[in-house]
Amino acid sequence: KAGVTQTPRYLIKTRGQQVTLSCSPISGHRSVSWYQQTPGQGLQFLFEYFSETQRNKGNFPGRFSGRQFSNSRSEMNVSTLELGDSALYLCASSDSGSQYNEQFFGPGTRLTVL
Amino acid sequence: SQQGEEDPQALSIQEGENATMNCSYKTSINNLQWYRQNSGRGLVHLILIRSNEREKHSGRLRVTLDTSKKSSSLLITASRAADTASYFCATWTLDMGRRALTFGSGTRLQVQP
Repeated sequence: KAGVTQTPRYLIKTRGQQVTLSCSPISGHRSVSWYQQTPGQGLQFLFEYFSETQRNKGNFPGRFSGRQFSNSRSEMNVSTLELGDSALYLCASSDSGSQYNEQFFGPGTRLTVL
Repeated sequence: SQQGEEDPQALSIQEGENATMNCSYKTSINNLQWYRQNSGRGLVHLILIRSNEREKHSGRLRVTLDTSKKSSSLLITASRAADTASYFCATWTLDMGRRALTFGSGTRLQVQP
C-alpha cells in the first residue's frame, strides 16, 4: 500500500495570509490526525477526523481548522497566519479498528511564515 | 504540554554500541509507542507495548515498560550509523474528553561510524 502523502511539502507565506494543507491517508484508513511540530513546543496534537467528523481536538485556537472528505482525504486550514505558526505539520492515519492504534505518518509540510 | 519526558535529550555513541533511551509519563495508559524521526521528516512507528506487557522485542529493538514507575525504555542494540535520528515515546491521553497521542520531548541519537 502507498503511504501517507502530504502536499505541498514546503510552503512560504506571509503574516495574515491563510494556508491549506492536504493529506491523503493510507488506503482503508479512516482516521486522520494532524500534528504541529516546532522546536519550542515539540509535537502537539491538532485534531483528528474520522468518517468526515472531527472526533478529537487539541488545544489550538480557532484559526486552525480541518475537514475530511468521503474518500478520507483531509485538509487543514490555518487562517490569519502568525510568525509562530511556522512549523512542520504532520498528518497521520490509522486503522480505525481501535482508537489506540499506532499512527502512520506522512513526510510533513514545512510551513514558513514571514 | 508534553505527556512524557525523555532522557537523555541527546546521545552520541559509536557504531556497534548499544543505545538506551528512557521515557516517563504522567497518566495511566492503554499502550506506549516509540517512534523514530529522521531530521525534519515524518515519524516512523517502531514498536507498541501494551500496558499489561513488561517487555517487547522487535529486531534490534527492546522496549520495557514499568507502569508502577510510569516509565519505559528503548534499547537499540548493535547500533548503526543509519540509526541516527530522534526517538519519541508517545501515549494516548484523555484530557477533558479529548483523546490525543501525546509525545515526549524526544532523544536525539547520533551514531558515529
